[in-house]
Amino acid sequence: NAGVMQNPRHLVRRRGQEARLRCSPMKGHSHVYWYRQLPEEGLKFMVYLQKENIIDESGMPKERFSAEFPKEGPSILRIQQVVRGDSAAYFCASSRESAQYFGPGTRLLVL
Amino acid sequence: SQELEQSPQSLIVQEGKNLTINCTSSKTLYGLYWYKQKYGEGLIFLMMLQKGGEEKSHEKITAKLDEKKQQSSLHITASQPSHAGIYLCGARSGGGADGLTFGKGTHLIIQP
Repeated sequence: NAGVMQNPRHLVRRRGQEARLRCSPMKGHSHVYWYRQLPEEGLKFMVYLQKENIIDESGMPKERFSAEFPKEGPSILRIQQVVRGDSAAYFCASSRESAQYFGPGTRLLVL
Repeated sequence: SQELEQSPQSLIVQEGKNLTINCTSSKTLYGLYWYKQKYGEGLIFLMMLQKGGEEKSHEKITAKLDEKKQQSSLHITASQPSHAGIYLCGARSGGGADGLTFGKGTHLIIQP
């Protein structure tokens, strides 16, 4: 049973470009969470999704960030018009009930 | 909002020695999760504690939940180089399957 998969593992973007991060949950998991880990800061919750629904987006920045978890395919975290402050490690986690299992993360660098 | 404070922030331990990491919550705990993160990698799930007084062990790692004190401890016995990394505690703020709040982590270094 493959774990949570994220791609790309590393992503470099110039300011103003778009970043698309993908997450495939573990088989049988219907809950997906996105977290961001900034340098010198802890891991911060961004958004919680179930298939085709956003359940809690209280941690998402109000502008430029969006997330989806379509009926088919991976969950996508989309960052429009990236700025240098968006440089961070973005982690996805999935769960079936309680325990959340994390993917290896996508490290975004904005030049 | 809930805050989790971990102590110590960093720890250097000689190989073979025991150690304890603490995690204290500012609010009632509805579930406490321990993870380990190697530098530059993802989080590895260690244990989940849900009931006051609960204690779980996996290999040489034991975690306890003191619900009244809103605190959890992680104890490693006879530490090994493979235990080195960043240990993170995470907690739910409510009873549902919502996002976790994390502490800032404890950096553990094992000296041979």
